[in-house]
Amino acid sequence: EVQLVESGGGFIQPGGSLRLSCAASGFTFSSYWMHWVRQAPGKGLEWVSRISGDGSSTSHADSVKGRFTISRDNAKNTLFLQMNSLRAEDTAVYYCARGSGYYGDFDYWGQGTLVTASS
Amino acid sequence: QSALTQPASVSGSPGQSITISCTGTNNDIGSHNLVSWYQQHPDKAPKLIIYEVNNRPSGVSNRYSGSKSGNTASLTISGLQAEDESDYYCCSYGGRGTYVVFGGGTKLTVL
Repeated sequence: EVQLVESGGGFIQPGGSLRLSCAASGFTFSSYWMHWVRQAPGKGLEWVSRISGDGSSTSHADSVKGRFTISRDNAKNTLFLQMNSLRAEDTAVYYCARGSGYYGDFDYWGQGTLVTASS
Repeated sequence: QSALTQPASVSGSPGQSITISCTGTNNDIGSHNLVSWYQQHPDKAPKLIIYEVNNRPSGVSNRYSGSKSGNTASLTISGLQAEDESDYYCCSYGGRGTYVVFGGGTKLTVL
């Protein structure tokens, strides 16, 4: 059974840093593109970042470029999102999602982890 | 990245059919057959219901169908049931530089 379990969310002051993790199981992790998608309270879904199966290719949305970094450890079947210079508008539930490819088709999602950036 | 445009809400009675539109541009929906749709119940993670315009994942009801014409994709739900009441999001590959873009979401109410 495919499982994605996020962790690392919490309350952080604006300007601070946080590192999210997503533990994957039930599939060959290194064979899949992985993505982060976020959802602000009461709002819609927003794609954040993606990384190729071998970690050699990454992309980020303009809203987080230069502040967030996606990475992965295939030996530990874990996806990461390093979030620096956090802003109030980064407050959201962050989901990790498995993609069929670089383009999306997110067939499995984690339960999400809440990040709250507030003073 | 600009969001795709969806109606904020749609409604229908049990047994009826409804269609949710998703309008993009020549750069996203119009250029790629890489449109997916997600169902999200309150406080739950999204669930993939349509991928690559008109394909259903295993286990998804055949009452859900997808299509595309030009820059607009559509999700049709036939034989509406109470359990279909949910939020629905479209998603498309946006091409180099835009990557992945979502619609703003549509709330479906089953009357």
